[in-house]
Amino acid sequence: SYVVTQTPSMSVAPGKTATFACGGNDIVTRTVHWYQQKPAQAPVLVIFDATDRPSGIPERFSGSKSGNTATLTISRVEVVDEAVYFCQVWDSSGNHPVVFGGGTKLTVL
Amino acid sequence: EVQVVESGGGLVQPGESLRLSCAASEFTVSSSYMNWVRQAPGKGLEWVSVIYRNGKTFYADSVKGRFTISRDNSKNTLYLQMNSLRVEDTALYYCARANNVVALGMDVWGHGTTVTVSS
Repeated sequence: SYVVTQTPSMSVAPGKTATFACGGNDIVTRTVHWYQQKPAQAPVLVIFDATDRPSGIPERFSGSKSGNTATLTISRVEVVDEAVYFCQVWDSSGNHPVVFGGGTKLTVL
Repeated sequence: EVQVVESGGGLVQPGESLRLSCAASEFTVSSSYMNWVRQAPGKGLEWVSVIYRNGKTFYADSVKGRFTISRDNSKNTLYLQMNSLRVEDTALYYCARANNVVALGMDVWGHGTTVTVSS
């Protein structure tokens, strides 16, 4: 089944830019979503279909994908952005249509 | 308010069974792609199962043959029947709607229900 990989952790200072990578074979052809999960809370969809923001998500959150990498970018990082960020791929061609990456823990210094 | 509420979790011994429920409000389960996603303590998200609008079902390899996803349209409720439970099934189980309006992103999540498998 399809596999996606994420860096386990990163640290960013407030006001700087955080960039999260989600790697997968030819991921550019897949549907990619991003979720934010804060401690003791359910995940929240922050980017859908690689580049689109659901209503209510700040414009500081953006996404892209190319080749084997999908990217989530948070501009002007704030302390409230500290969370774990998961990418998720829909692979409707196989018997395992949903795959999550391992998540990246963002620490805001 | 569009929401889902999970229930049915608990403490069971290895080999026992449990059925989780996910009651939906303000949307129709049968018109959605409904998922179960679990999270072991201190770990990441693990997709467990999905049921499509047309009733087709898929499972993660780790639960295939032991878990069964289903829905009751009259109750607007999603279920996960879990048999032959193992210690490694211990997790917080979330129910989540994948919405085709957001390209099947999971836009509605419950608070989860905890399953603990221990002897």
